[in-house]
Amino acid sequence: AQKITQTQPGMFVQEKEAVTLDCTYDTSDQSYGLFWYKQPSSGEMIFLIYQGSYDEQNATEGRYSLNFQKARKSANLVISASQLGDSAMYFCAMREGWQAGTALIFGKGTTLSVSS
Amino acid sequence: EAGVAQSPRYKIIEKRQSVAFWCNPISGHATLYWYQQILGQGPKLLIQFQNNGVVDDSQLPKDRFSAERLKGVDSTLKIQPAKLEDSAVYLCASSFRAAAATNEKLFFGSGTQLSVL
Repeated sequence: AQKITQTQPGMFVQEKEAVTLDCTYDTSDQSYGLFWYKQPSSGEMIFLIYQGSYDEQNATEGRYSLNFQKARKSANLVISASQLGDSAMYFCAMREGWQAGTALIFGKGTTLSVSS
Repeated sequence: EAGVAQSPRYKIIEKRQSVAFWCNPISGHATLYWYQQILGQGPKLLIQFQNNGVVDDSQLPKDRFSAERLKGVDSTLKIQPAKLEDSAVYLCASSFRAAAATNEKLFFGSGTQLSVL
């Protein structure tokens, strides 16, 4: 079974509009962390935002916010006021548990295209 | 602060040849990861080192892939012999803490794009 599911292969949005990228996850652990990374065409993965499973508030980082719905096991990324430079692949990822040696598990990604 | 360095940036080889990729993590980072990213997919973990010991290599095809991390710093990933399905981007990442914490983020290099013909 997929641990991280991103159901939107591609999304299109106009500049200055908000966009939501979907992510659902599957884990039986009580402690876990959820991450969003951006991958522009240059290839480097850029960290955007983090949400811990025990965090009561939704995480925010500038124009990025994470809509965390624990009961539904979803962690959607919201980008407000889209910019042309936001065009990239976006990956949702999860780390399960607190023990040493747990790497991030990534979803398949969503391609975001921002037009003027 | 310098980021994660990887080389080469691109590599084209024929099947059955061998290839090696190099990674220099951020100074002081204890944990190093190699991920494989096939076109159109998310990164998949190949191997994880903590200092110079292997933490997880369960998804590394050990009949053809090998990796080492000398003195707990630089790392090399090797493929021998390469197959067509090894065509992918190989990403190296590092993180600071020796023991993983749930919120520990990974810092990635720009990757090595491998084409096997």
